[in-house]
Amino acid sequence: EADIYQTPRYLVIGTGKKITLECSQTMGHDKMYWYQQDPGMELHLIHYSYGVNSTEKGDLSSESTVSRIRTEHFPLTLESARPSHTSQYLCASSDDLGGSTEAFFGQGTRLTVV
Amino acid sequence: AQKITQTQPGMFVQEKEAVTLDCTYDTSDPSYGLFWYKQPSSGEMIFLIYQGSYDQQNATEGRYSLNFQKARKSANLVISASQLGDSAMYFCAMREHHYNTDKLIFGTGTRLQVFP
Repeated sequence: EADIYQTPRYLVIGTGKKITLECSQTMGHDKMYWYQQDPGMELHLIHYSYGVNSTEKGDLSSESTVSRIRTEHFPLTLESARPSHTSQYLCASSDDLGGSTEAFFGQGTRLTVV
Repeated sequence: AQKITQTQPGMFVQEKEAVTLDCTYDTSDPSYGLFWYKQPSSGEMIFLIYQGSYDQQNATEGRYSLNFQKARKSANLVISASQLGDSAMYFCAMREHHYNTDKLIFGTGTRLQVFP
């Protein structure tokens, strides 16, 4: 069973609020990813990291930011939430064995901005 | 740039029958990995099967097998003996490991419904 955790699982928040979605893994993985997914739709990569102090933007432009101060922790922050940010956010991690290892996913955070 | 294409938005299959979910990909990198994930209505992503670009044989994992045709750049998932619990979204994904790039990119998914 994968040891990657996301909190909160569900979040309803008002427009303009600052929010941080937490993602932690206990597998010692260097690679971590954030995906945004609307219900029943594809996963869009919004951020990824190769290790501590490494962050890169993904293929889908996002107003969110990430940080990677510790290997196990990869939080995502929205400075000012808007209704267009309503979506599911999935965090994943994988080890650094080239392209041959799968990514493990957290349970996701379903964000609703009202 | 890498790209994953799943052309079947939805598929229906009768219980106990086999079903093939299509996936084609585009990459200029000779080294890559292909993955299939299952996403039930509860939302979690469940890893099913992996195929490496240099693997000579098609991957198999229980009822799942991957029909890998490298020249055609296709990596179709075959589910044998479908079960009602197989009803879910299925995503094909590709991971390139090229210099300092290591992104895991997903297709648009196929919704599979298994009926009795």
